[in-house]
Amino acid sequence: QKEVEQDPGPLSVPEGAIVSLNCTYSNSAFQYFMWYRQYSRKGPELLMYTYSSGNKEDGRFTAQVDKSSKYISLFIRDSQPSDSATYLCAMTGNAGKSTFGDGTTLTVKP
Amino acid sequence: KAGVTQTPRYLIKTRGQQVTLSCSPISGHRSVSWYQQTPGQGLQFLFEYFSETQRNKGNFPGRFSGRQFSNSRSEMNVSTLELGDSALYLCASSQTGQADGYTFGSGTRLTVV
Repeated sequence: QKEVEQDPGPLSVPEGAIVSLNCTYSNSAFQYFMWYRQYSRKGPELLMYTYSSGNKEDGRFTAQVDKSSKYISLFIRDSQPSDSATYLCAMTGNAGKSTFGDGTTLTVKP
Repeated sequence: KAGVTQTPRYLIKTRGQQVTLSCSPISGHRSVSWYQQTPGQGLQFLFEYFSETQRNKGNFPGRFSGRQFSNSRSEMNVSTLELGDSALYLCASSQTGQADGYTFGSGTRLTVV
């Protein structure tokens, strides 16, 4: 069983929809939780990171962590076609080594 | 400021050969991590270097090795290439190696034939 499981997708939503992306994990040692966005032929780009349980908001993006349930989510409000990409959750308990989910491919249709 | 630069962008090698990939981190960043990305396995951690020392290592065979130079530039080497080594190899740099500061390069696409 993988340490990090990510909802596989793909997801296709209309422009303006709210998107929910989710990951679960099994390793209690994970302390930092990140979300990356990856466009085709590019490296992952860090969107958000959180350390504690709760919500963290940045513009249209909200990251949510529930350590008791070992569950993290990324919400995208008012989704735009430019949000179409693969989203990766990642976690680390040890500086320098992150464990990634397999990614969810999102398409936002105009 | 300049981002993380990986060279070459594309590479085709024959099974059994060896290959060296290069990563130039963002100026001032002392931590460099390497990942392998494949459709089947996703992003897998290879190793991390901090101030020329390997600090973390993933579960890859000894054919995969790396090093970091005093200017923080890093190289990874794969010897005796196998078809299954075909992947996108990504490096990421950070000032300290903490989760909030990683910047990825665009990767080197390695194809083994």
